[in-house]
Amino acid sequence: DTGVSQDPRHKITKRGQNVTFRCDPISEHNRLYWYRQTLGQGPEFLTYFQNEAQLEKSRLLSDRFSAERPKGSFSTLEIQRTEQGDSAMYLCASSSILAGGTDTQYFGPGTRLTVL
Amino acid sequence: AQSVTQLGSHVSVSEGALVLLRCNYSSSVPPYLFWYVQYPNQGLQLLLKYTSAATLVKGINGFEAEFKKSETSFHLTKPSAHMSDAAEYFCAVSENTGGFKTIFGAGTRLFVKA
Repeated sequence: DTGVSQDPRHKITKRGQNVTFRCDPISEHNRLYWYRQTLGQGPEFLTYFQNEAQLEKSRLLSDRFSAERPKGSFSTLEIQRTEQGDSAMYLCASSSILAGGTDTQYFGPGTRLTVL
Repeated sequence: AQSVTQLGSHVSVSEGALVLLRCNYSSSVPPYLFWYVQYPNQGLQLLLKYTSAATLVKGINGFEAEFKKSETSFHLTKPSAHMSDAAEYFCAVSENTGGFKTIFGAGTRLFVKA
């Protein structure tokens, strides 16, 4: 295992279509995060999971967005009825909390979404 | 609430010159601080992190950063820039509770001139 992987790397879709992205974290990591990054900005937090539980969601995550991590391993992020404003890079990260340890996140390569 | 400010959206240096990327943070609790690097069309790679141990932190690729509580700063330096250092650099802060979400700065793009 060499790191966090994301699929697809690029997605072009038409406005109004649904899209789904997948993230496979580092295998021993129990926390998984989704971020959105627009051009010229740092990543913005969307949501995170500890094992299969979704513990926090940003207000950026409208009701068109849903994320799952069904078995505490891989995660999916779905965007329904895409809008042009959803065009961004979607980053996934994972981490493992050890006793007294740091929440250091390791990032995947991202999925670049373009909504036409 | 936590926040991060990176001073200068673009920094340009000559190859072999000192690199200095500035980061100031705001946190109501002792922070964890990070620097990440992002190459075009790639995810973020951790350069170094501060976790309340030594205030001078050494990272990969010859980078280091110094935590200065009195100045609420965590500036990133490298003595001699290399062409391969050209990338986007992000400073980030998270709570010193093993806590979850990390707040990122807007990034500084480093250009290295031959």
